Amino acid sequence: GESVGLHLPTLSVQEGDNSIINCAYSNSASDYFIWYKQESGKGPQFIIDIRSNMDKRQGQRVTVLLNKTVKHLSLQIAATQPGDSAVYFCAEKEGNTPLVFGKGTRLSVIA
Amino acid sequence: KAGVTQTPRYLIKTRGQQVTLSCSPISGHRSVSWYQQTPGQGLQFLFEYFSETQRNKGNFPGRFSGRQFSNSRSEMNVSTLELGDSALYLCASSLDGSGTEAFFGQGTRLTVV
Repeated sequence: GESVGLHLPTLSVQEGDNSIINCAYSNSASDYFIWYKQESGKGPQFIIDIRSNMDKRQGQRVTVLLNKTVKHLSLQIAATQPGDSAVYFCAEKEGNTPLVFGKGTRLSVIA
Repeated sequence: KAGVTQTPRYLIKTRGQQVTLSCSPISGHRSVSWYQQTPGQGLQFLFEYFSETQRNKGNFPGRFSGRQFSNSRSEMNVSTLELGDSALYLCASSLDGSGTEAFFGQGTRLTVV
């Protein structure tokens, strides 16, 4: 498949462990944030979103935490599985302006 | 409900040619955004269309253009192709582009030789 990023930071985790992927965003006025998962050869897949009036949001096996004070976003994946191996992107948005993407983190799950 | 559909999936073009890519958004979605993805630059915003009007534009040369039709389908065109235009071109659709979920298509892989 296509290479999404040649020199991305990589997080390696053991299958069954929890994963935490971090993202520093740049615009203090951003009011909406999304995490995407991209597997090789595919488009980014929506995982979870959060608005700036929230600190935490949970989905199925995933939790997003937002710390507006330090402009930090994290994605926690519980009980990581081999199928979670992918590149993860955070994206921020202010109002009607376009989504701005981070560089991405490669998650590698060790079976 | 069908997802975002991009055609074609793969394209090989020669330098100097032009190319048109197509994106059909999720039914009911009125905002379509285009992104260029390369290993070196990541995901970079090209433009966004909402109700047939370009609402936002990224920092790309005028060779890159787009349009949106009344059924919300969108096309992007790249003229006078350069080797550096080789990339994965992604289209994302959302209801109105403002703080709502944006869903991507599989992308069109363009190779310029």
